[in-house]
Amino acid sequence: AQKITQTQPGMFVQEKEAVTLDCTYDTSDPSYGLFWYKQPSSGEMIFLIYQGSYDQQNATEGRYSLNFQKARKSANLVISASQLGDSAMYFCAMREGTRYGGSQGNLIFGKGTKLSVKP
Amino acid sequence: EAQVTQNPRYLITVTGKKLTVTCSQNMNHEYMSWYRQDPGLGLRQIYYSMNVEVTDKGDVPEGYKVSRKEKRNFPLILESPSPNQTSLYFCASSLRRGEAFFGQGTRLTVV
Repeated sequence: AQKITQTQPGMFVQEKEAVTLDCTYDTSDPSYGLFWYKQPSSGEMIFLIYQGSYDQQNATEGRYSLNFQKARKSANLVISASQLGDSAMYFCAMREGTRYGGSQGNLIFGKGTKLSVKP
Repeated sequence: EAQVTQNPRYLITVTGKKLTVTCSQNMNHEYMSWYRQDPGLGLRQIYYSMNVEVTDKGDVPEGYKVSRKEKRNFPLILESPSPNQTSLYFCASSLRRGEAFFGQGTRLTVV
């Protein structure tokens, strides 16, 4: 079974509007971390935001926020005020066993969502 | 500057000709890994290493080898490349917790 599911292969958003990219995950480990990465057309992987399973508040980093719903096992990325430069592939990823650093640190990725921002 | 450096960035080779993709990090990270990225499949882990001399298979290890003789280096070896190993490869490093830092990627074509 897939551990990270991104159901939206592609999405469009109008410039300056907000957009939500979906991510659901599957784990039985109570300690895990969730990550979002951006991959522009140039190919590099850019870390955006992190949410730990024990974090009480949703993570935010500038225009990025993570809508973490633990009971539903979802970790959606919200980008506010979209910009043309936000057009890219976005990957959700999970690492299990993060609380005490005892895991092998395996980072598991979803298949990605391609976001296109329209002017 | 903290970084993960992969070389080469681009490589075209022929079937069966052994090659090595190098990866080096300057952040003293314990954990390093290799991924391949293929359209529609996301990033799939090939091998990972938790520390020097400690390596293990990821999801798609067939046809690849790795070694971790020093903490900073984690080369990926293709002993006998085949066309189905044509892909975009990423090396990444991290602490046990926290985000992974990625190299710039190596685009490999095997003809």
